Amino acid sequence: EAQVTQNPRYLITVTGKKLTVTCSQNMNHEYMSWYRQDPGLGLRQIYYSMNVEVTDKGDVPEGYKVSRKEKRNFPLILESPSPNQTSLYFCASSPRTEDYGYTFGSGTRLTVV
Amino acid sequence: QKEVEQNSGPLSVPEGAIASLNCTYSDRGSQSFFWYRQYSGKSPELIMFIYSNGDKEDGRFTAQLNKASQYVSLLIRDSQPSDSATYLCAVKGLEYGNKLVFGAGTILRVKS
Repeated sequence: EAQVTQNPRYLITVTGKKLTVTCSQNMNHEYMSWYRQDPGLGLRQIYYSMNVEVTDKGDVPEGYKVSRKEKRNFPLILESPSPNQTSLYFCASSPRTEDYGYTFGSGTRLTVV
Repeated sequence: QKEVEQNSGPLSVPEGAIASLNCTYSDRGSQSFFWYRQYSGKSPELIMFIYSNGDKEDGRFTAQLNKASQYVSLLIRDSQPSDSATYLCAVKGLEYGNKLVFGAGTILRVKS
């Protein structure tokens, strides 16, 4: 089944403790993105990647890191999480560009206390 | 300033009626327009995309694009309770750094 797999689905952590949210797609998509979704603000892009080893900042990159060492994987790293990073996170992939439409992962609900 | 606006709703329609969801955008040069559906607690899923002025139909869904007036609409005919969800409009344009910008979404409730 074609899908984007994110883990974990739920995560509660403490301020400052480094964490990684994994994302993997099995569709051979070139384009991958991370979004956060907050009530009333919609989906906001954190980082995106156009292909292996090519990443760039989205609208809200502060406090996040990403890497794209393999085509299928695009992990999101929070080096020192803070409470304002409490949110619902989605990984998404698209065949080449955003114009083809995204397939989203099932989401990771992160709470930082 | 990036701006894709949607009425947050909720928009309530009776079963069998036509639901009309609207989205306005600020970038006159926008080229790509998308509608995503998001059920409560789930991830967004692509239901329609449109690039040209006019209407595009897919089953019970019709996307309508009017670039001169800078709006894109989604019509859902014969609405069903299973259509109850949040509908996200997304627009890609040069003013937005040639990136996709999402609206905050409209909640649709279809009552049986």
